[in-house]
Amino acid sequence: SAVISQKPSRDICQRGTSLTIQCQVDSQVTMMFWYRQQPGQSLTLIATANQGSEATYESGFVIDKFPISRPNLTFSTLTVSNMSPEDSSIYLCSVDQGMNTEAFFGQGTRLTVV
Amino acid sequence: DAKTTQPTSMDCAEGRAANLPCNHSTISGNEYVYWYRQIHSQGPQYIIHGLKNNETNEMASLIITEDRKSSTLILPHATLRDTAVYYCIVRRGTGTYKYIFGTGTRLKVLA
Repeated sequence: SAVISQKPSRDICQRGTSLTIQCQVDSQVTMMFWYRQQPGQSLTLIATANQGSEATYESGFVIDKFPISRPNLTFSTLTVSNMSPEDSSIYLCSVDQGMNTEAFFGQGTRLTVV
Repeated sequence: DAKTTQPTSMDCAEGRAANLPCNHSTISGNEYVYWYRQIHSQGPQYIIHGLKNNETNEMASLIITEDRKSSTLILPHATLRDTAVYYCIVRRGTGTYKYIFGTGTRLKVLA
């Protein structure tokens, strides 16, 4: 199993500002994913963080709004840029170590934009 | 990636088996079936996964039909702590892959 540390666990931010969320894993992993969970909704995949290259974004998500970095096999960041109240959600990091394995999830970052 | 269909909600009496169905009729040969659950607003918790054969672990059993178009997650003796949203996910087994969450089944275990 993998232990995921996500920071911050929660934050309240002013509209128009940006927040960077960190995801640290205790072991090297193949895949890292970022999800958004809006209030009362299921998880929506934002992007797959690729080590050493640009992230792969899902439909409806763009790099300018959600820039992602993945400098190595244990760390990734997600930035929520130019925030509006509609960005208020839980953001979750997830990791997977390969083919016939399972994904593990962090406890999430609860973001409130005011 | 194949799409999954699950009932919106289910109730189960404490101590009884909870059987959660999932339809994945467009699943392809190299795609796995995964089950996760999310309790309140915690991060999703892995339960079990399988490709073709039925699987069992300390948490649950996964029954996959022979044609692989549907599956059932079985919690053998449901407790109040099993109250959660349960997600069935189909994930590619080769190449690049991702976990796409549907709406899930909200299971309520009743005392």
